[in-house]
Amino acid sequence: EPEVTQTPSHQVTQMGQEVILRCVPISNHLYFYWYRQILGQKVEFLVSFYNNEISEKSEIFDDQFSVERPDGSNFTLKIRSTKLEDSAMYFCASSDRGATYGYTFGSGTRLTVV
Amino acid sequence: AQSVTQPDIHITVSEGASLELRCNYSYGATPYLFWYVQSPGQGLQLLLKYFSGDTLVQGIKGFEAEFKRSQSSFNLRKPSVHWSDAAEYFCAVVTGGGNKLTFGTGTQLKVEL
Repeated sequence: EPEVTQTPSHQVTQMGQEVILRCVPISNHLYFYWYRQILGQKVEFLVSFYNNEISEKSEIFDDQFSVERPDGSNFTLKIRSTKLEDSAMYFCASSDRGATYGYTFGSGTRLTVV
Repeated sequence: AQSVTQPDIHITVSEGASLELRCNYSYGATPYLFWYVQSPGQGLQLLLKYFSGDTLVQGIKGFEAEFKRSQSSFNLRKPSVHWSDAAEYFCAVVTGGGNKLTFGTGTQLKVEL
């Protein structure tokens, strides 16, 4: 069964450093998403991406965050200057027909900011 | 705003017993509803989804859910729970003009052997 692949599975970074979280969505999918889950809390929407542009973003997704689909297969989330509160599990997801048909999620990247 | 509520934070059942996890939604029109499961250290796996039509939806791993408009509910059920079902279960609804999922706070299921 096709999978969404995320790398790395764990990342530890120092506060103020830039991090890039990488995702390889399912190859024929057109809609891409990032979510995050702070430990013990609910899964929160960050951003959706379609046709090479952001289609929606949450208030969490401020100027410190950016997304990119650099080469037609990868989908990345960049955090420019990490804060302690950015520590969370970050999930990438993709869909062939949009949110109303459901997503396939990756297994996540655990980001720890120290 | 559209949302889902999962009233039970933790549920413990014995292996072989039946299971029902509650989800209530807040939405004016017919919602697009989902149940996801998250095993420890894993991602979110789609169990089942409801768009329209038959209100009883079958999913993977023997799970089913029933959409009840009159009660604004979409409860997840399984007739006989296995120890491997221990995980966190999330109800979700499509919001934001169809661009995103809004998740409930989750229900942690523990299975006693």
